[in-house]
Amino acid sequence: DQQVKQNSPSLSVQEGRISILNCDYTNSMFDYFLWYKKYPAEGPTFLISISSIKDKNEDGRFTVFLNKSAKHLSLHIVPSQPGDSAVYFCAASPHNNDMRFGAGTRLTVKP
Amino acid sequence: NAGVTQTPKFQVLKTGQSMTLQCAQDMNHNSMYWYRQDPGMGLRLIYYSASEGTTDKGEVPNGYNVSRLNKREFSLRLESAAPSQTSVYFCASSGWQGEETQYFGPGTRLLVL
Repeated sequence: DQQVKQNSPSLSVQEGRISILNCDYTNSMFDYFLWYKKYPAEGPTFLISISSIKDKNEDGRFTVFLNKSAKHLSLHIVPSQPGDSAVYFCAASPHNNDMRFGAGTRLTVKP
Repeated sequence: NAGVTQTPKFQVLKTGQSMTLQCAQDMNHNSMYWYRQDPGMGLRLIYYSASEGTTDKGEVPNGYNVSRLNKREFSLRLESAAPSQTSVYFCASSGWQGEETQYFGPGTRLLVL
């Protein structure tokens, strides 16, 4: 069972515009959510996280929004840059070691 | 600091062969993890070690064994490789049990023929 879902396998945006990546989850026990970024032939790197007690967390160009009632989170990148082109994984954890990942969304930012 | 290192980077095995994937971290982290990544599936947890001397099964442990050799090293063993174990394997570590931010190694690409 896939408890974390990223329904868009790919997304293409123009440089300077906003990128919005979406993630849905089914397990109400999840209370910590993360986004990881992955370049080819490298391991995932941590990007930004949010606890369930918040509905927004911002770090520079990256903002994560959490809607607990809808079991939905999103990552906004503004403005998007070509170097942001990568695969983005959403992950969720019930505050233990059992972290679950989505299948990933490949973002392409065109110059 | 090298962070999390993994060896080998790439390996080809024949069905039934065994091998051990090595992982080491130099961040003095307590918890370590092994994941596999398959197309369309994201990363799935195979085993984890919350602290030195302990190991626990994750989401997909069948066909694998692990050893937490010391605080730095966590190895993953395939006793009898199967084509279904063709995947990219990632090791990760985090500061303590329950700390969600994990730091990943570069991965080992395994092909089982």
